[in-house]
Amino acid sequence: GNSVTQMEGPVTLSEEAFLTINCTYTATGYPSLFWYVQYPGEGLQLLLKATKADDKGSNKGFEATYRKETTSFHLEKGSVQVSDSAVYFCALSGYGGSQGNLIFGKGTKLSVKP
Amino acid sequence: DAGVIQSPRHEVTEMGQEVTLRCKPISGHDYLFWYRQTMMRGLELLIYFNNNVPIDDSGMPEDRFSAKMPNASFSTLKIQPSEPRDSAVYFCASSSSANYGYTFGSGTRLTVV
Repeated sequence: GNSVTQMEGPVTLSEEAFLTINCTYTATGYPSLFWYVQYPGEGLQLLLKATKADDKGSNKGFEATYRKETTSFHLEKGSVQVSDSAVYFCALSGYGGSQGNLIFGKGTKLSVKP
Repeated sequence: DAGVIQSPRHEVTEMGQEVTLRCKPISGHDYLFWYRQTMMRGLELLIYFNNNVPIDDSGMPEDRFSAKMPNASFSTLKIQPSEPRDSAVYFCASSSSANYGYTFGSGTRLTVV
């Protein structure tokens, strides 16, 4: 079945460092891919998404490209800020169409130090 | 739009008591999901509904858990009787399509003592 694997944390970076959080997936069909962010004490928020191969999702300086050939959707940001400290979840739609649930990775905790 | 609204935000109860968590999805969303989050197990899907009908409840841990969606604007998750191992943050989310992603509520932090 469909599954998501993301790099384990925690990840600790200094402010203005480059961020990569790896995410790979296994899927049948053509799922959509997502990154969610969870700030302390809050629910998950959609950060960005991509619905087909080679699409790039971007938001708030974060970006990720849907790579079908490597089944990856790595999250990147060129210069992180302390306010980016949160847990990041990679996810894919469970089915190829519009139905069904999202499958989430285990989350990667990011801490950014000033 | 007020987003997905969950209540209560925090619940502390004694073992053996009944607990009811509530969720109001975003108007027009026809999917509703209940998740549980713990440090040990991460984010777990408990059950989801489509057009008020339960589609997949395979994540519900045991018969002590039940969920209902009597109409498009309201859902409940009930635990009876509650146990300390049920302590977690419970999230409700709604969606118009999995391809568009979900909108999550702020969660209910449940502590069973």
